[in-house]
Amino acid sequence: KAGVTQTPRYLIKTRGQQVTLSCSPISGHRSVSWYQQTPGQGLQFLFEYFSETQRNKGNFPGRFSGRQFSNSRSEMNVSTLELGDSALYLCASSSTPPAGGITDTQYFGPGTRLTVL
Amino acid sequence: TQLLEQSPQFLSIQEGENLTVYCNSSSVFSSLQWYRQEPGEGPVLLVTVVTGGEVKKLKRLTFQFGDARKDSSLHITAAQPGDTGLYLCAGAGHSSASKIIFGSGTRLSIRP
Repeated sequence: KAGVTQTPRYLIKTRGQQVTLSCSPISGHRSVSWYQQTPGQGLQFLFEYFSETQRNKGNFPGRFSGRQFSNSRSEMNVSTLELGDSALYLCASSSTPPAGGITDTQYFGPGTRLTVL
Repeated sequence: TQLLEQSPQFLSIQEGENLTVYCNSSSVFSSLQWYRQEPGEGPVLLVTVVTGGEVKKLKRLTFQFGDARKDSSLHITAAQPGDTGLYLCAGAGHSSASKIIFGSGTRLSIRP
């Protein structure tokens, strides 16, 4: 079974621009979660989608948004980029929603490293 | 706000030594996971613990969930250079609306 794939792997943008990151979950997985990882803040939850619906959202500004398609692929978008948005963005998939007691394994992709100049 | 604090933040030890990493919170979690992340990769799940007081072993790694389900520890016996990486704990609450909270991580380096 192919793992979680994320594209692109690396991205360089300038302040004020917007960016779209893509995540393809493991085949059959319907839940996709997005995380931001930085050296200072660690791994922080952005949002989670299940069957095209956002089920959970972290404490990030509205510039961060996402969506999930009928084939479970997910995209996240960051508008009006700021220097502080430079981070590794990780996507994780599982067959059922991961919250409410972790009963299903979340499988992480390799991440997209975003650098904002 | 639920927080998970990991200690130590950094640890560099000689091959063959033992070590323990801690994950502490003032909140109760329904379950807790440990991950290892290597450079350029996403975290990989090592173990899930769900019962207070539970102990799980994975070869030279021993994981324990505190009786009150507020803390956990990871003990590595006879560390190997292949154990090098970022170790993360993650906890989830009881409801479906709970978010998964990750600890700040422990960066472990094993010197040959």
